[in-house]
Amino acid sequence: QQQVKQSPQSLIVQKGGISIINCAYENTAFDYFPWYQQFPGKGPALLIAIRPDVSEKKEGRFTISFNKSAKQFSLHIMDSQPGDSATYFCAASRQGAQKLVFGQGTRLTINP
Amino acid sequence: DAMVIQNPRYQVTQFGKPVTLSCSQTLNHNVMYWYQQKSSQAPKLLFHYYDKDFNNEADTPDNFQSRRPNTSFCFLDIRSPGLGDAAMYLCATRTGGSYNEQFFGPGTRLTVL
Repeated sequence: QQQVKQSPQSLIVQKGGISIINCAYENTAFDYFPWYQQFPGKGPALLIAIRPDVSEKKEGRFTISFNKSAKQFSLHIMDSQPGDSATYFCAASRQGAQKLVFGQGTRLTINP
Repeated sequence: DAMVIQNPRYQVTQFGKPVTLSCSQTLNHNVMYWYQQKSSQAPKLLFHYYDKDFNNEADTPDNFQSRRPNTSFCFLDIRSPGLGDAAMYLCATRTGGSYNEQFFGPGTRLTVL
């Protein structure tokens, strides 16, 4: 119930392509879905987050798509750049909860 | 401009020698977290403070302790580090009552010799 399943584990995309990372959850009480970006040797940085009252949120080249009925959400990186190479974690939480439930992470490599 | 600061960034200790990692924040956030992150894994929550209330995760070893003397500072004490405790230790903060928007520090890389 508390798990968030993330796929793929690793992803290689050519420069300029679209990177897509998917997450699925079971707990319907979750109502906050952030994505974190982590570079090697650094702490995770909040990239973008969505709440289930909208189906999509876009910030620059980064878009979250949310499918409430399927209990899935995904991160799309448009025009992927080598500087986007990092590990991405999805997460989920419910309002009032103190903890984030993280996905397993996706190691993204953008080839120049 | 750093909002969550961790010191030191790199710490080397010997097997069994106590070590303390520190975290400070300029955000005045109510909640502070300590996570352990091993290579290629998601951060694993060790414990968190909501104001002065301490909340330990059920699977956090007794070897790990924490102190929060005031709003701005939080410490992670590892009483007798083992080789398996070598990891990145991350501090995070958030405002209580909001959606769970956590801000992470840069981490402390702990090496155990």
